[in-house]
Amino acid sequence: AQSVTQLGSHVSVSEGALVLLRCNYSSSVPPYLFWYVQYPNQGLQLLLKYTSAATLVKGINDFEAEFKKSETSFHLTKPSAHMSDAAEYFCAVRNSGGYQKVTFGTGTKLQVIP
Amino acid sequence: AAGVIQSPRHLIKEKRETATLKCYPIPRHDTVYWYQQGPGQDPQFLISFYEKMQSDKGSIPDRFSAQQFSDYHSELNMSSLELGDSALYFCASSLGGASGNTIYFGEGSWLTVV
Repeated sequence: AQSVTQLGSHVSVSEGALVLLRCNYSSSVPPYLFWYVQYPNQGLQLLLKYTSAATLVKGINDFEAEFKKSETSFHLTKPSAHMSDAAEYFCAVRNSGGYQKVTFGTGTKLQVIP
Repeated sequence: AAGVIQSPRHLIKEKRETATLKCYPIPRHDTVYWYQQGPGQDPQFLISFYEKMQSDKGSIPDRFSAQQFSDYHSELNMSSLELGDSALYFCASSLGGASGNTIYFGEGSWLTVV
């Protein structure tokens, strides 16, 4: 089964600084990859997804992620962090084939320092 | 746009009691997924349904059961509740089984077992 690994359970950035959250996938075939965000005491909201149409994927709130097959990575970035970005971010993978579930990474908590 | 609706949002039960969580998928979505997220954990897949049939099964305890009804809503039934069942339970839905289709999550149902 495919899986994702998120490096760093906690990441702190200053307000206005670059956000970089790391995600690597394990797959022998191009997977379907997603980034979800979970604000405190809330549900999971889709930020963006990769479905092989384009390697650079743009999402909501100025987040984007680049699929790099050579590095088996799908890192999430945002040029300038806002206080409102403080949340937990989950990278997720969905196996190819029909009716497959999404499998989440262990999550990265983003702290934004004023 | 309509989202995945879960009820109740909060539930407190005593050990050995039963609980039922309900999920109403996005209109026209035919696939429903259930996840459990323990405190500080990533969401773990429990079970999924497509067109009222179980399509996949994850780490769902034998004390739990679920079904999808003719109107596509789903219910997760939990019996003989244990303290360890305290968690946030997510329902998610998607249209069809294509792996590139987005799985949309509800806000979750908080279950506290005391």
